[in-house]
Amino acid sequence: DAGVIQSPRHEVTEMGQEVTLRCKPISGHNSLFWYRQTMMRGLELLIYFNNNVPIDDSGMPEDRFSAKMPNASFSTLKIQPSEPRDSAVYFCASRLGRGGTIKAFFGQGTRLTVV
Amino acid sequence: AQTVTQSQPEMSVQEAETVTLSCTYDTSESDYYLFWYKQPPSRQMILVIRQEAYKQQNATENRFSVNFQKAAKSFSLKISDSQLGDAAMYFCALRRGSSGTYKYIFGTGTRLKVLA
Repeated sequence: DAGVIQSPRHEVTEMGQEVTLRCKPISGHNSLFWYRQTMMRGLELLIYFNNNVPIDDSGMPEDRFSAKMPNASFSTLKIQPSEPRDSAVYFCASRLGRGGTIKAFFGQGTRLTVV
Repeated sequence: AQTVTQSQPEMSVQEAETVTLSCTYDTSESDYYLFWYKQPPSRQMILVIRQEAYKQQNATENRFSVNFQKAAKSFSLKISDSQLGDAAMYFCALRRGSSGTYKYIFGTGTRLKVLA
């Protein structure tokens, strides 16, 4: 298995632009998480899905952030409009919710820079 | 609310020596899991070790072991015989064990430097 795949690896955009981050979870996993990592706050959970349904989005910082999971193999995190303070590394992770290992597997992250 | 606190932003250890990374947490749940994740410069998140709260025995994985003090809500990671490849950010994480929410709460991380 290729693991959790995120794209792009790096994104540089101008303030005000829309940014879309993509994630392909491990096949068969039914829980998916979006995290944001900054030096100041470490890893923050933004939102997570179970069986494609958003369960808890209390970590989403503002209405400018939205996430979707149209099917079991794809999720997006969108920021519109983007701001310089959104600059961070965004991680996607997935896990199998029932049975099997309980550990979460992370993608390699998308480094977002908003100038 | 669940919280995870790592009070050491940075630690250093001499190669082959032992180092302990601290983590404290707070939860009202009785059933939960604790994890240590390693993040090398490649930004991968690698699971190092996990502990089920209902188990009294401390988890061990080769050179990595934990000191789980449930009453004190402490979950420290001990790395023995430190190697240069151990240099990374280490994150402590907490996850509720029962059904329902599966979210992982992470600490702010400890950067470990290994000195040759």
